[in-house]
Amino acid sequence: DAKTTQPTSMDCAEGRAANLPCNHSTISGNEYVYWYRQIHSQGPQYIIHGLKNNETNEMASLIITEDRKSSTLILPHATLRDTAVYYCIVRLSYSGGGADGLTFGKGTHLIIQP
Amino acid sequence: GAVVSQHPSWVICKSGTSVKIECRSLDFQATTMFWYRQFPKQSLMLMATSNEGSKATYEQGVEKDKFLINHASLTLSTLTVTSAHPEDSSFYICSAGGRLMSSYEQYFGPGTRLTVT
Repeated sequence: DAKTTQPTSMDCAEGRAANLPCNHSTISGNEYVYWYRQIHSQGPQYIIHGLKNNETNEMASLIITEDRKSSTLILPHATLRDTAVYYCIVRLSYSGGGADGLTFGKGTHLIIQP
Repeated sequence: GAVVSQHPSWVICKSGTSVKIECRSLDFQATTMFWYRQFPKQSLMLMATSNEGSKATYEQGVEKDKFLINHASLTLSTLTVTSAHPEDSSFYICSAGGRLMSSYEQYFGPGTRLTVT
């Protein structure tokens, strides 16, 4: 899987949009960008993933640059409960039964300030 | 949907004893389950991958005789830490891979905190 680079930590005011960047300059054509987050002492939670197009779900939006070398996860209205470590992972997706474990980097510790 | 449970959520055991951790996919069939370990202030590290009905595949540096994995059904995998030592104290997290709707994804359990005294 391609390597990702994320800032170590970020602050964001409650109620504002939190924009978390991720660089993945070595991503290959069939690799997806996945985002997970881990709230303290809990298991990771899947947020969103995408290949080329921007994606949106009830939790967040994912903006992928045209050259796919970087992406931004957007939490539109951050709350205190969004304080967590956010992991950007690039990996193959699969429609079959096989699967690989995830390689987690250090992620971004997002702190939402009241 | 996509709920994965782990039991127990925390356990304290004495050095030299064995501890079993269960991971269950509650609302889908998990063809593959993964076990991760996370030490304080570090990221998750994949320990092993198991497919239902077959032997687990361990990552380099993970002792298969110490961390016994059983994946006997599509909804249950167990990790047994044998002859536990204080350095095995960690946060153990499982994830279950399965097909929900049109895509195949991994969903994580809440984790089990093991403390070996």
